Amino acid sequence: EAGVVQSPRYKIIEKKQPVAFWCNPISGHNTLYWYRQNLGQGPELLIRYENEEAVDDSQLPKDRFSAERLKGVDSTLKIQPAELGDSAVYLCASSLTGVNEQFFGPGTRLTVL
Amino acid sequence: AQSVTQLDSHVSVSEGTPVLLRCNYSSSYSPSLFWYVQHPNKGLQLLLKYTSAATLVKGINGFEAEFKKSETSFHLTKPSAHMSDAAEYFCVVSEFKQAGTALIFGKGTTLSVSS
Repeated sequence: EAGVVQSPRYKIIEKKQPVAFWCNPISGHNTLYWYRQNLGQGPELLIRYENEEAVDDSQLPKDRFSAERLKGVDSTLKIQPAELGDSAVYLCASSLTGVNEQFFGPGTRLTVL
Repeated sequence: AQSVTQLDSHVSVSEGTPVLLRCNYSSSYSPSLFWYVQHPNKGLQLLLKYTSAATLVKGINGFEAEFKKSETSFHLTKPSAHMSDAAEYFCVVSEFKQAGTALIFGKGTTLSVSS
């Protein structure tokens, strides 16, 4: 069974530029999560989707971050414009609905210069 | 709100010796607790989980953890460390929110294994 797929694995951009990350969850997993992991810290939830609906986006900085999951499968997380403090690893995870065991992708390491 | 505290940021052991990674949790009700491992440039992998069944939980790769409600602890142990165990380990609690559940991660413990 294929795991959670994320791309790109690495991204280097200059500040004020836009950036987007893509995630394909495990087949059949209706719940999708985006986390941000700063250096030396544990992941922190940004947004959670149940199918197409964002059911928890309380930690998403909405002035510059946006996310979508139009068909309830793949998801895209966007930052526009990026700031130096956005440098981190962005992790995508998925789970079956109502199950708290989450499966994580390898992450996208973002460096903002 | 739920939280976890990993008591050691870095643990160093020799190959073949026991491993102990300490975690305390804070929760207003019976929590679900997890340990995840993260190898360099790899995704987080679930080691084991506690969900109010047996208090001693066995996971993959010889790891186990014991839930102790009186001590609010969920320490991770392994009898004999292997070089491949060197990684970052996260203690995690599941938090129930109005919109469902969320995982709250500790800050992580780096395990180093020397030969």
